[in-house]
Amino acid sequence: GENVEQHPSTLSVQEGDSAVIKCTYSDSASNYFPWYKQELGKGPQLIIDIRSNVGEKKDQRIAVTLNKTAKHFSLHITETQPEDSAVYFCAAVPTDSWGKLQFGAGTQVVVTP
Amino acid sequence: ETGVTQSPTHLIKTRGQQVTLRCSSQSGHNTVSWYQQALGQGPQFIFQYYREEENGRGNFPPRFSGLQFPNYSSELNVNALELDDSALYLCASSNGGIQETQYFGPGTRLLVL
Repeated sequence: GENVEQHPSTLSVQEGDSAVIKCTYSDSASNYFPWYKQELGKGPQLIIDIRSNVGEKKDQRIAVTLNKTAKHFSLHITETQPEDSAVYFCAAVPTDSWGKLQFGAGTQVVVTP
Repeated sequence: ETGVTQSPTHLIKTRGQQVTLRCSSQSGHNTVSWYQQALGQGPQFIFQYYREEENGRGNFPPRFSGLQFPNYSSELNVNALELDDSALYLCASSNGGIQETQYFGPGTRLLVL
């Protein structure tokens, strides 16, 4: 089955700097890659997603890149703000998995003022 | 448009008991997926219901069971609770299809003593 690895496990950045989280996946049949943000005591919130026919997608300060050949995808947050502090999860969905999200272990992002 | 709701928010049970968790899907969504999230880990897929039928199952024992109702709301039942069942239980709704975006509810925090 699919296995998703996520790095780093923790990331501390100064406000205004950029943050980058990287994920690798094992199943070449995966073709949908969402990113979720989870704040303390809340459920995961979708922040951006990308499908395999696209190499990059951007939404304001957030961007995701996908390299299908290398089987890795990354989340980029620019101009970080204290409210960006949360746990971020990447996930992958193989085409034959009925929409089962296979999550990475998560990255705790701390943005210090 | 209402989002995904879950009840109860918190629950304390003792080992060997049974528990039922409930989820109301987002308006217009016909698919509900359940995930278990242990502390400090990413969510793990339990199973998915599509139009009242189980549509895929993760690596969880049969004492984890579910239902989906005609209005697409769903229940997760866990029998013979074990200490390791203590976790945040998340449901996510989507509009069917293999890669449709999944939107999560706030979760139910279950503690088994």
